[in-house]
Amino acid sequence: DSGVTQTPKHLITATGQRVTLRCSPRSGDLSVYWYQQSLDQGLQFLIQYYNGEERAKGNILERFSAQQFPDLHSELNLSSLELGDSALYFCASSLTSTGFYYGYTFGSGTRLTVV
Amino acid sequence: DAKTTQPPSMDCAEGRAANLPCNHSTISGNEYVYWYRQIHSQGPQYIIHGLKNNETNEMASLIITEDRKSSTLILPHATLRDTAVYYCIVRPSSGNTPLVFGKGTRLSVIA
Repeated sequence: DSGVTQTPKHLITATGQRVTLRCSPRSGDLSVYWYQQSLDQGLQFLIQYYNGEERAKGNILERFSAQQFPDLHSELNLSSLELGDSALYFCASSLTSTGFYYGYTFGSGTRLTVV
Repeated sequence: DAKTTQPPSMDCAEGRAANLPCNHSTISGNEYVYWYRQIHSQGPQYIIHGLKNNETNEMASLIITEDRKSSTLILPHATLRDTAVYYCIVRPSSGNTPLVFGKGTRLSVIA
């Protein structure tokens, strides 16, 4: 158990629907990062929040959005889902805004299947 | 724009040392070398990082060449549980650049 909690573990939904993935960071960590891993694209960075504010943005689609709440948990919202959005979605956390010295701690992921 | 080059796959006999190479010939002076691994569909796991000195922790050793253009991750006594994809990542020490994962090396430890 890494200390980063992601829910749900599995999610099956239909095209066009909207889903919310949740992440609770490791205790004491202020940064949350979201990554998408599909078979053909590998691990892709989506977005980072630090203490409630957006810090970095990667290849995140406009249909996707995220936020970090005052209790530091984060949610990734995926809307107008397409078959190609099927992937593993990982959340990671770090103590600082850079995660430089102690690295990122990853959760076990949410497997999203769009049918 | 790949900053690192790794072999796509490697095999290692159980109990032997696994030496995973990484080429980062364009590395800048303020960039560190990080290693993570991902065991089948689990979240990636931090292993070790370094700048120019060799580093060792309870999981592995990191050997960086003097010119810093390449490095080797060493798992001293590989076990079946070390079978995973290993990612070598170059990252600057300043700014807020997130970890960018490449394709990594798939290490298979064989009994």
